[in-house]
Amino acid sequence: GESVGLHLPTLSVQEGDNSIINCAYSNSASDYFIWYKQESGKGPQFIIDIRSNMDKRQGQRVTVLLNKTVKHLSLQIAATQPGDSAVYFCAENPNSKLTFGKGITLSVRP
Amino acid sequence: DGGITQSPKYLFRKEGQNVTLSCEQNLNHDAMYWYRQDPGQGLRLIYYSQIVNDFQKGDIAEGYSVSREKKESFPLTVTSAQKNPTAFYLCASSISGSKAEAFFGQGTRLTVV
Repeated sequence: GESVGLHLPTLSVQEGDNSIINCAYSNSASDYFIWYKQESGKGPQFIIDIRSNMDKRQGQRVTVLLNKTVKHLSLQIAATQPGDSAVYFCAENPNSKLTFGKGITLSVRP
Repeated sequence: DGGITQSPKYLFRKEGQNVTLSCEQNLNHDAMYWYRQDPGQGLRLIYYSQIVNDFQKGDIAEGYSVSREKKESFPLTVTSAQKNPTAFYLCASSISGSKAEAFFGQGTRLTVV
């Protein structure tokens, strides 16, 4: 498969622990943000999104937090499982131009 | 089933040849995108299109061309002017507007020898 995680920052967590993945975005005009998960050799899959009029949004086992003051986004994964191992990207969508951060590899230790 | 399809999954070409990557979607999405992915580089935007017969350059458009003659299709041509074409290419689509998630294809791995 495609080694998309090669050379990316890596977060290693113990199975069952909570994971926090952070992202800094660059464009103050961005008003919509998305987190994606990418497994090796596959296209990114949508996890959760948040609009700029919100600070927090929860999904199933995942929570996204948005701090517009410091242009920071985070993804929290509760009770991390081996299937969560992947590369995670944040994306912003200013002016309908969807752009991505560099990504972080999440590695789950059994 | 609705979705976005890229073909082929693997593609090999000789240096100096143009090659076209296919991207088709049946989601009735107005917007389509092409990204390039290299190890450690994340996803970089090549071209995007918000509507049929219109498209804009992304961050790394040099050496690439696109067309958007039909809503369902957004083919990407990697030309001989692209200095380092070997990469993983991803196509995505979304409903129009700035607050919509994009759906991705499974990618095409292009290797130029």
